[in-house]
Amino acid sequence: AQSVTQPDIHITVSEGASLELRCNYSYGATPYLFWYVQSPGQGLQLLLKYFSGDTLVQGIKGFEAEFKRSQSSFNLRKPSVHWSDAAEYFCAVGLYNFNKFYFGSGTKLNVKP
Amino acid sequence: NAGVTQTPKFQVLKTGQSMTLQCAQDMNHEYMSWYRQDPGMGLRLIHYSVGAGITDQGEVPNGYNVSRSTTEDFPLRLLSAAPSQTSVYFCASNSGGEQFFGPGTRLTVL
Repeated sequence: AQSVTQPDIHITVSEGASLELRCNYSYGATPYLFWYVQSPGQGLQLLLKYFSGDTLVQGIKGFEAEFKRSQSSFNLRKPSVHWSDAAEYFCAVGLYNFNKFYFGSGTKLNVKP
Repeated sequence: NAGVTQTPKFQVLKTGQSMTLQCAQDMNHEYMSWYRQDPGMGLRLIHYSVGAGITDQGEVPNGYNVSRSTTEDFPLRLLSAAPSQTSVYFCASNSGGEQFFGPGTRLTVL
């Protein structure tokens, strides 16, 4: 069965600390990979995407993600977290020429002052 | 451009009532989707469309109908609402793999 797994439900980091959010997927082929952010009561905003090529992709707000085919992972990173980064983060995969997208269950990020 | 718009923003229904959640986009995107978001479950795909007149089921289609008569509009119909359909509903359109989401509709079924 196809799946997207975000093993961490909640993460708390101190402001200025580094961040890594984990995402693993289970599909037969390399899917298209995405990270979205959702602030409370808001819709989803695309942070970054991976289709092919360089496995390290840069996104908005200083985020980056690395695709590791051997681990079926697409982890999101940020070197120094800001209080405004507190939100929920979703990993997603796109299949079949972008007709279908599957989302992980999300990771809620809290940022301590 | 308004992007993706959804109406209403909030709705309370009684069990058995029907209603239509509206979704419209002005970006001329072929692909549109409906999701529901429940705590701890992320977004789950209900139905999607690859163009006017073409729709297909996603992960959780039961209890929902869709149609796509124009490129711009993709309404989601609940024929007989159930408490299990209490959720936040998001519509999205996409182009080249980037999805654009509407602001959501928070639906409560009593």
